[in-house]
Amino acid sequence: GENVEQHPSTLSVQEGDSAVIKCTYSDSASNYFPWYKQELGKGPQLIIDIRSNVGEKKDQRIAVTLNKTAKHFSLHITETQPEDSAVYFCAASISGSARQLTFGSGTQLTVLP
Amino acid sequence: DTAVSQTPKYLVTQMGNDKSIKCEQNLGHDTMYWYKQDSKKFLKIMFSYNNKELIINETVPNRFSPKSPDKAHLNLHINSLELGDSAVYFCASRGDPGELFFGEGSRLTVL
Repeated sequence: GENVEQHPSTLSVQEGDSAVIKCTYSDSASNYFPWYKQELGKGPQLIIDIRSNVGEKKDQRIAVTLNKTAKHFSLHITETQPEDSAVYFCAASISGSARQLTFGSGTQLTVLP
Repeated sequence: DTAVSQTPKYLVTQMGNDKSIKCEQNLGHDTMYWYKQDSKKFLKIMFSYNNKELIINETVPNRFSPKSPDKAHLNLHINSLELGDSAVYFCASRGDPGELFFGEGSRLTVL
């Protein structure tokens, strides 16, 4: 089955700096890679996703890159703000399949004011 | 209007008791899940139902029994609770092509 590894497990940055979280996956058939943000006391919420026919996707201050050959993908947050502090999860699956998303182990991001 | 709602938000109970968590989604999705999140934040899938039919059953003790009366509801019943069952349990539903919508979670504490 799919295995997703995520690094780092914790990340502290100064407000205004950039943050990068990296994930690798094992199943070359995976073609859908979402990122979820979990705020304290809440359920995870999708913030951005990318499919394997695209190398990069941006949405305001967040961007995701995908390298299919190396089987890794990354989340980039620019101009970080205190409200970006949360746990971030990457995941991988086969789009349109009933197979479940396989999640990474999460990254606790802390943005220091 | 909450997309995925689960109740209760908090449960505190004694070892050996039985408890249930209810989940409802109003998104019209066919597939629903239960996830367990431990103290290290790791999200582990427990069950998945597609249109009331069980399609995924990970290695979960048979003290855990999901029930789906219709495709909008997926409840979780836990018998003979143990200390290790303490966790946050998330219900989720899945749209096409794959976005998961999570509920707010139910924090179970077993004393």
